[in-house]
Amino acid sequence: KQEVTQIPAALSVPEGENLVLNCSFTDSAIYNLQWFRQDPGKGLTSLLLIQSSQREQTSGRLNASLDKSSGRSTLYIAASQPGDSATYLCAVYDTGNQFYFGTGTSLTVIP
Amino acid sequence: NAGVMQNPRHLVRRRGQEARLRCSPMKGHSHVYWYRQLPEEGLKFMVYLQKENIIDESGMPKERFSAEFPKEGPSILRIQQVVRGDSAAYFCASSTAYGFTLHNEQFFGPGTRLTVL
Repeated sequence: KQEVTQIPAALSVPEGENLVLNCSFTDSAIYNLQWFRQDPGKGLTSLLLIQSSQREQTSGRLNASLDKSSGRSTLYIAASQPGDSATYLCAVYDTGNQFYFGTGTSLTVIP
Repeated sequence: NAGVMQNPRHLVRRRGQEARLRCSPMKGHSHVYWYRQLPEEGLKFMVYLQKENIIDESGMPKERFSAEFPKEGPSILRIQQVVRGDSAAYFCASSTAYGFTLHNEQFFGPGTRLTVL
């Protein structure tokens, strides 16, 4: 069974810093990996989707990488802003047609 | 193109009552997924439906929970005789297709937060 782990569980950084969030998964038989953002009281917002054949995806200040063989993905956020404060979730969609979510990293960007 | 709609956003029920959660997928999306987020836990898959069909309900509790996605209207997640442990956020997502050859990004609704008193 797929297990998805996110480290750290919580992160607090001053505004302007670059930061990296980590996601690891136990079974490399995946179709894709997706990073989401969850704001309090709101639903999930999809940030980046990486197909299993891809190494990275970029959107604005966000860059996500995928190393399927080692079961790792990172979400890089450049020049962090207070508006980036949220919980970040990664999810893998595996070849068993199931989605598995990590427990998230709670990010606080201090002005 | 409106996003995935869920209602109500907040639902309060007493133990033993029924809870009905609604999800309207994005226009053009015929695949709906329900997830539950329990306090202190990550999102857990519950059920995947296409129009008039349940495709995968492996994440659904065996009793009291049911889901449908009729030909017309929203998808409904129904919880009968709710208990306090059912208190959670329930998220719906939709996509255009589902299968081995299509790797579809899912679009999520804002969630329904169920509180059982």
